[in-house]
Amino acid sequence: SYVLAQPPSVSVAPGKTARITCGGDNIGSKSVYWYQQKAGQAPVLVIYYDRDRPSGVPERFSGSNSGNTATLTISRAEAGDEADYFCQVWDNSREGVFGGGTKLTVL
Amino acid sequence: VQLVESGGDLVQPGRSLRLSCAASGLTFDDFAMHWVRQAPGKGLEWVSGISWNSDTKTYADSVKGRFIISRDNAKNSLYLQMNSLTAEDVALYYCAKDRAAGYAGNFDGFDIWGQGTMVTVSS
Repeated sequence: SYVLAQPPSVSVAPGKTARITCGGDNIGSKSVYWYQQKAGQAPVLVIYYDRDRPSGVPERFSGSNSGNTATLTISRAEAGDEADYFCQVWDNSREGVFGGGTKLTVL
Repeated sequence: VQLVESGGDLVQPGRSLRLSCAASGLTFDDFAMHWVRQAPGKGLEWVSGISWNSDTKTYADSVKGRFIISRDNAKNSLYLQMNSLTAEDVALYYCAKDRAAGYAGNFDGFDIWGQGTMVTVSS
């Protein structure tokens, strides 16, 4: 089955840029979705189709996808961005696959 | 738009449970729907998805043959019948709406989530 690899944790200083990677075999050929999950809350979709933002998601959130790595970039990081972030794709059998998640700390 | 799950409970290993998800504020039969679960302190795991017209149903390998997804568009409701439950099924189960209207052979992202219903399996 298809596997997505994320770093367990990423730290960023307030106002700086955080990059969270999601690795998978030829992931560049798939559409990647990113979710933000704050403590005790349901996940929220922040990026779809690799780089598109749902309405209401700040422009500070952006995405890219090429080769074997997709990246979620959070510019001008704020304390409110602290959360777990999960990437997700659909495999060839139309089964959903999530990465293990990355805990973002803003310090 | 709101999704409200129900049916979570404490059950013994090997028993069955049926989860429900009531949708409101959307044209339910326009969208595919999904179940996603999260074990305590763990990451997200997609469980199952169903197209708007129930023609397509897919399952994670971990639940294939034990869980059955269904929907009743007249009642704006999604269901998950869970059989032969084990300790590995302990999780918060979320109902999630597919982002794209219609179904052209591929599911999309999950843009609306419920708050989840907890399933505990223990003797």
